[in-house]
Amino acid sequence: EPEVTQTPSHQVTQMGQEVILRCVPISNHLYFYWYRQILGQKVEFLVSFYNNEISEKSEIFDDQFSVERPDGSNFTLKIRSTKLEDSAMYFCASTAQALGQPQHFGDGTRLSIL
Amino acid sequence: DQQVKQNSPSLSVQEGRISILNCDYTNSMFDYFLWYKKYPAEGPTFLISISSIKDKNEDGRFTVFLNKSAKHLSLHIVPSQPGDSAVYFCAASARVSSNTGKLIFGQGTTLQVKP
Repeated sequence: EPEVTQTPSHQVTQMGQEVILRCVPISNHLYFYWYRQILGQKVEFLVSFYNNEISEKSEIFDDQFSVERPDGSNFTLKIRSTKLEDSAMYFCASTAQALGQPQHFGDGTRLSIL
Repeated sequence: DQQVKQNSPSLSVQEGRISILNCDYTNSMFDYFLWYKKYPAEGPTFLISISSIKDKNEDGRFTVFLNKSAKHLSLHIVPSQPGDSAVYFCAASARVSSNTGKLIFGQGTTLQVKP
């Protein structure tokens, strides 16, 4: 069964450094998402991406964050200058249709900011 | 933002019995609801969904019930198996307010099924 894959599984970065989290969505999916889960808290929506542009972003997704689909398969989340509070699990998800179809999630990247 | 709430942080049931997980929501614009299961060190795995035009959807041992007037949904697992032990998340999306399909999640309920 096709799945969403995320790399790396764990990323440790010094505060202030840039980090790029990578995702390969399911191949025939068109809608892509990033969510995050801070330890002990809810899974929170960050951003949605369709047709090579951001379709919606949350308040969390400030100027330090960016997303890109550099080729036909990868979908990346970049944090320009990481802060301690960026430490979380980051999940990528994809779906064939934005409405009425489930999103399928990767296993996440644990981001630890020191 | 408490649009989706799972008020029970944990639930313990005996193998073979029914597990009932509950979820409440406040946004009347939500029209698509999902349940995900999550094991440690893995991402959420889709289990079952329901559209607001239905009040019940069944898939094998899993049934989701939707009560729109009460803004409440529940997931029934019958019979429960030890392998069902995981964190269960309720999630919702609203076509009108966001056609991107973004999901709003509840806090999760940890289910333990004892052999």
